[in-house]
Amino acid sequence: GQNIDQPTEMTATEGAIVQINCTYQTSGFNGLFWYQQHAGEAPTFLSYNVLDGLEEKGRFSSFLSRSKGYSYLLLKELQMKDSASYLCAVKDSNYQLIWGAGTKLIIKP
Amino acid sequence: DGGITQSPKYLFRKEGQNVTLSCEQNLNHDAMYWYRQDPGQGLRLIYYSQIVNDFQKGDIAEGYSVSREKKESFPLTVTSAQKNPTAFYLCASSTQDPTGELFFGEGSRLTVL
Repeated sequence: GQNIDQPTEMTATEGAIVQINCTYQTSGFNGLFWYQQHAGEAPTFLSYNVLDGLEEKGRFSSFLSRSKGYSYLLLKELQMKDSASYLCAVKDSNYQLIWGAGTKLIIKP
Repeated sequence: DGGITQSPKYLFRKEGQNVTLSCEQNLNHDAMYWYRQDPGQGLRLIYYSQIVNDFQKGDIAEGYSVSREKKESFPLTVTSAQKNPTAFYLCASSTQDPTGELFFGEGSRLTVL
């Protein structure tokens, strides 16, 4: 079966750096997405990786290793507003999105 | 402003009743989707539509129905056949570009009493 694994919950301190990991086993691969979702709200797009390497976008970076079936989202200079769930999703060989259960990130002052 | 509008935001239903959730987008996207989100689980696809007057079942279509009569609209009906309908429902849209991201509505929270 197809599977995406993320930690359920992480805690970090304001101003610090946190790395959220995502491992996947899917039938084919056509890209990996990261979304941010605040409680009770809609997910919003953060990043897309289809080739190996690091994509940087401001305080957020996303890394992909297709050979290892692994990605991470790196958040720098954490702010209280970064408290949210972070969803990892992979497009399989049929371009269908497979979603992880999300990682709830708690930021402490 | 372009975007996706879902309504209602909160809905309460008695067992045995059908309810319809509205989803409208003005992004001129061809593809639209309905997802269900439950605590501790990833988003699960209910139905999707790539073009007007055509739609396909997702992973958990039983007990749900949809229509796509207009490009802008993709309503979801939760029927009385859905055994556990209490959930957060998300509508999304995208272009036909397979690398394109999904744009989500604000969600509708359905509670069955």
